[in-house]
Amino acid sequence: AQSVTQPDIHITVSEGASLELRCNYSYGATPYLFWYVQSPGQGLQLLLKYFSGDTLVQGIKGFEAEFKRSQSSFNLRKPSVHWSDAAEYFCAVGARGSYIPTFGRGTSLIVHP
Amino acid sequence: ETGVTQSPTHLIKTRGQQVTLRCSSQSGHNTVSWYQQALGQGPQFIFQYYREEENGRGNFPPRFSGLQFPNYSSELNVNALELDDSALYLCASSFGDGRGDQPQHFGDGTRLSIL
Repeated sequence: AQSVTQPDIHITVSEGASLELRCNYSYGATPYLFWYVQSPGQGLQLLLKYFSGDTLVQGIKGFEAEFKRSQSSFNLRKPSVHWSDAAEYFCAVGARGSYIPTFGRGTSLIVHP
Repeated sequence: ETGVTQSPTHLIKTRGQQVTLRCSSQSGHNTVSWYQQALGQGPQFIFQYYREEENGRGNFPPRFSGLQFPNYSSELNVNALELDDSALYLCASSFGDGRGDQPQHFGDGTRLSIL
């Protein structure tokens, strides 16, 4: 079965600074990988996804993520953070042929003005 | 395009009661999944419905059950409520046959509190 680890529970950055949120997965083959964002009191919104091909994936709101097979990682990055990016971020993995996605426990992003 | 809508927004129940949560999928979507999100945790997959049948289930007991209707809307039923059932329940819809490669669109959830 697949699993996801988001090692950082909280990340604090200043507005305008760069951001990297870490995600490590465990799965025997190439998984499907997703990043979602959740604002307070709301559901999850898909930021980007990786299925195959180019390992650098562009998403919405200026986010990107890079799939690194050798490190079993799918870290999320943004070059310049805005105050509105403050939210909870979830990495998720889907196994090919499986119907059951697995989410990490999330990383809370705090943005200082 | 209508997004995923869930009702009610909030609900308070007592132990032992039963609850039904409802979800209308995004227009054009035929697959519905339900998740439980405890405070400070990521969503945990409960089950998924495709063509009105359950086609995937997470590690939840049988007292968690569901339905999908011909219009692709869905219900989540929980019997014999326990304190640990207090959580945000999320519904997500997608188009396809429910495989793991399909991005899901989430509703804002139902906050269930058990007293």
